[in-house]
Amino acid sequence: AQSVTQPDIHITVSEGASLELRCNYSYGATPYLFWYVQSPGQGLQLLLKYFSGDTLVQGIKGFEAEFKRSQSSFNLRKPSVHWSDAAEYFCAVGVKDSSYKLIFGSGTRLLVRP
Amino acid sequence: KAGVTQTPRYLIKTRGQQVTLSCSPISGHRSVSWYQQTPGQGLQFLFEYFSETQRNKGNFPGRFSGRQFSNSRSEMNVSTLELGDSALYLCASSHDGEGPQHFGDGTRLSIL
Repeated sequence: AQSVTQPDIHITVSEGASLELRCNYSYGATPYLFWYVQSPGQGLQLLLKYFSGDTLVQGIKGFEAEFKRSQSSFNLRKPSVHWSDAAEYFCAVGVKDSSYKLIFGSGTRLLVRP
Repeated sequence: KAGVTQTPRYLIKTRGQQVTLSCSPISGHRSVSWYQQTPGQGLQFLFEYFSETQRNKGNFPGRFSGRQFSNSRSEMNVSTLELGDSALYLCASSHDGEGPQHFGDGTRLSIL
């Protein structure tokens, strides 16, 4: 069955420090992969996506992610975190059956220390 | 370009009632998907509509239904509300269903 695992429920980093959020997926075919961010009371904002090609993808707000097929991973990174990055981050895999749907991980809540 | 618009933002209902939520997709997007977000179950796929046809449905009871109009706007209906239906309901649109999905801010439904 298709699934997405985000092993870290919470992560706390200091402002200016680097960040890596982990994501592992289970899907038999070539995956479409996404990272979304959700601020309190808001919907999901798309940070970046991987469909094919270059395995290192750049997104908005200075985020990047690397697709590693051998590890079934799609980790999100940022070299220097800002206080405004505090939010919940969701990794998702696009799954095709009768049509296309997103399977989400359980999310990682990022806290930023001043 | 306007984003995905969901109305209303907040709703309070009581058990046994029914509710209708509305979603207006990004202009030009023909696919609309609905997701339920709860603290216990996370984000779960409800259904997807394309050109007024339901193409896919998640594992939810028949009390959850939807429809899509010719202008791609979509509505979701929940009948005989239960306490467990309290959630944030998110709508997402995309061009054809395979591209990136863009989400609205959601409707927060509370059941008393």
